[in-house]
Amino acid sequence: LAKTTQPISMDSYEGQEVNITCSHNNIATNDYITWYQQFPSQGPRFIIQGYKTKVTNEVASLFIPADRKSSTLSLPRVSLSDTAVYYCLVGDMSVIKAAGNKLTFGGGTRVLVKP
Amino acid sequence: KAGVTQTPRYLIKTRGQQVTLSCSPISGHRSVSWYQQTPGQGLQFLFEYFSETQRNKGNFPGRFSGRQFSNSRSEMNVSTLELGDSALYLCASSLGSNSNQPQHFGDGTRLSIL
Repeated sequence: LAKTTQPISMDSYEGQEVNITCSHNNIATNDYITWYQQFPSQGPRFIIQGYKTKVTNEVASLFIPADRKSSTLSLPRVSLSDTAVYYCLVGDMSVIKAAGNKLTFGGGTRVLVKP
Repeated sequence: KAGVTQTPRYLIKTRGQQVTLSCSPISGHRSVSWYQQTPGQGLQFLFEYFSETQRNKGNFPGRFSGRQFSNSRSEMNVSTLELGDSALYLCASSLGSNSNQPQHFGDGTRLSIL
């Protein structure tokens, strides 16, 4: 399973766009890229998922270049409540995959939104 | 639709004891995965169950075990607890095991070992 690398932390201000890039050089053909948001003492909350090119939903956009070795989560016009840790997850949870595969979240990116 | 429910939310045990944590997935979800989250290690995958069968297993000792029932509810058991087992244990459910089916997490059980 692909190992991911993200910046440890990022600071931003209310109303700005925040872009977090995740590197996953060893991504496999069947791997999807998923981003989660986590607040203290809560479980991760699903934000967005993609395979290639660009995906957009009501809260974020995900940009994936053609080689898929990295991805960028874009949070438009952040607010104070977007202060959280953001995790990039790359993996294949297919039922046909052999037992023993490990799926480990990376360290995440701590985003601090300032007023 | 109700989210993933984990019980209990908090638990305090002593070394050597055993513990069982429970997870009720989102209705209709058949895959349940368990994770351990600690400040130093981030989220680490424990195991995944799908239709009562363990599909994937992380790199944890045999003291960590789990099972899934026919209604997709899952339990995780840790025996002979060690101080290092103190962590937030998260359960996540998804429709299936395919990678295009995102996991939805509960708020976890915080286990403290004294």
